[in-house]
Amino acid sequence: QVQLVQSGAEVKRPGASVKVSCMSSGYTFTNYPMNWVRQAPGQGLEWMAWINTGTGGTQYSRKFQDRVTITRDTSANTAYMEVNSLRFEDMAVYFCARGVYGDSVLDHWGQGTLVSVAS
Amino acid sequence: SSDLTQPPSVSVSPGQTARITCSGDALPKKYAYWFQQKSGQAPVLVISDDSKRPSGIPERFSGSNSGTMATLTISGARVEDEADYYCYSVDSSGDRVFGGGTKLTVI
Repeated sequence: QVQLVQSGAEVKRPGASVKVSCMSSGYTFTNYPMNWVRQAPGQGLEWMAWINTGTGGTQYSRKFQDRVTITRDTSANTAYMEVNSLRFEDMAVYFCARGVYGDSVLDHWGQGTLVSVAS
Repeated sequence: SSDLTQPPSVSVSPGQTARITCSGDALPKKYAYWFQQKSGQAPVLVISDDSKRPSGIPERFSGSNSGTMATLTISGARVEDEADYYCYSVDSSGDRVFGGGTKLTVI
């Protein structure tokens, strides 16, 4: 069965960087794109970015394109999301979500990774 | 702000029909998707491509998209359907976007 397993919770200081991983199993990694979505405490879902896991091509939401970088390692079936210059307002749960090429669906989700930003 | 607008809350009694709307200018040209999120859990896809129900989703969940409004309908809502529901689509500039979410209460 399809599984997306994310790395554990992180605590970072403002200005630092954080890198979250999302390890996939149960399907061919490069046949499906990976999306990243975040959810601040008590708030709604925000779509951040998308990576073509085959080519490495990316698309970012305008809000996140300056401080967020998404990559993948096909040998490890893993996608990564890095946020630079962390701010207090970046404190959120970050989810990876599998997509489908040619569609916008997000059909399987990771369990989420809480990133806390505290001084 | 979101390009997809949802009501903040909807409340129904068990067994009634719950309807959650999502309005957006790009919806006439783009599919709408719906996710259910229970407290402390990851979202779950309940409706794809306006009206398709993924495997394992109960038949009481259905979706429609007409004009600039998509609707998630839960026929015969159950207490276990209490959750936050989010619509999702592509906006006029091509970015993927979520609605602000609707808290469904079944009491």
